[in-house]
Amino acid sequence: QVTLRESGPALVKPTQTLTLTCTFSGFSLNTVGECVSWIRQAPGKAPEWLARIDWDDDKYYRTSLKTGLIISKDASKNQVVLTMTNMDPVDTATYYCVRNMKLHAFGIWGRGTMVTVSS
Amino acid sequence: QSALTQPASVSGSPGRSITISCSGTNSDVGTYDLVSWYQQHPGKAPKLIIYEVSKRPSGVSNRFSGSKSGTTASLTISGLQSEDEADYYCCSLADSNLWVFGGGTKVTVL
Repeated sequence: QVTLRESGPALVKPTQTLTLTCTFSGFSLNTVGECVSWIRQAPGKAPEWLARIDWDDDKYYRTSLKTGLIISKDASKNQVVLTMTNMDPVDTATYYCVRNMKLHAFGIWGRGTMVTVSS
Repeated sequence: QSALTQPASVSGSPGRSITISCSGTNSDVGTYDLVSWYQQHPGKAPKLIIYEVSKRPSGVSNRFSGSKSGTTASLTISGLQSEDEADYYCCSLADSNLWVFGGGTKVTVL
């Protein structure tokens, strides 16, 4: 059974750096074809894709964000980390870790972690 | 503003069929057969129900079907049931922002 769980701070201040960790089970990022994405959803809004990391360490980012994004993995620990710099109140959202399906679909979602950006 | 355009709401009676449209451009839906659809109940994470325009993941009801024509994708729910009441989002691979979602459609079962 595939599960993903997001962890990180619930509250960050503007300009601070947010670090979120996704811990997963039921698959390995050492396996060819596996990918994990981060997607966020502001309250009452549509989901927004942020970043993806592949089994071969290829990385893809949403380039239109003012916030800086870095995605990394530790396949031995079954973890993917998302770092977002220069957080702003508009970054307030639920952040989801997602196992991709067939590369281009978001197959299995974690429960999400709510992050509020406020001073 | 979302890159893909969906109607804000669609409603239908139990047992009937409804169709949700997802309008894009030649930079996303019109170029890539990589449209996916997600169902989201309140307070829950989205759930994949259609991928690659018309394929259903294992375990998803065959009442859900997808299609695409030009720059518009569609999701049809047939035999509408009360548990289908939820928000639905389309998503497509896109040239610039890589993956873009629609603004979402609230489905109401009358």
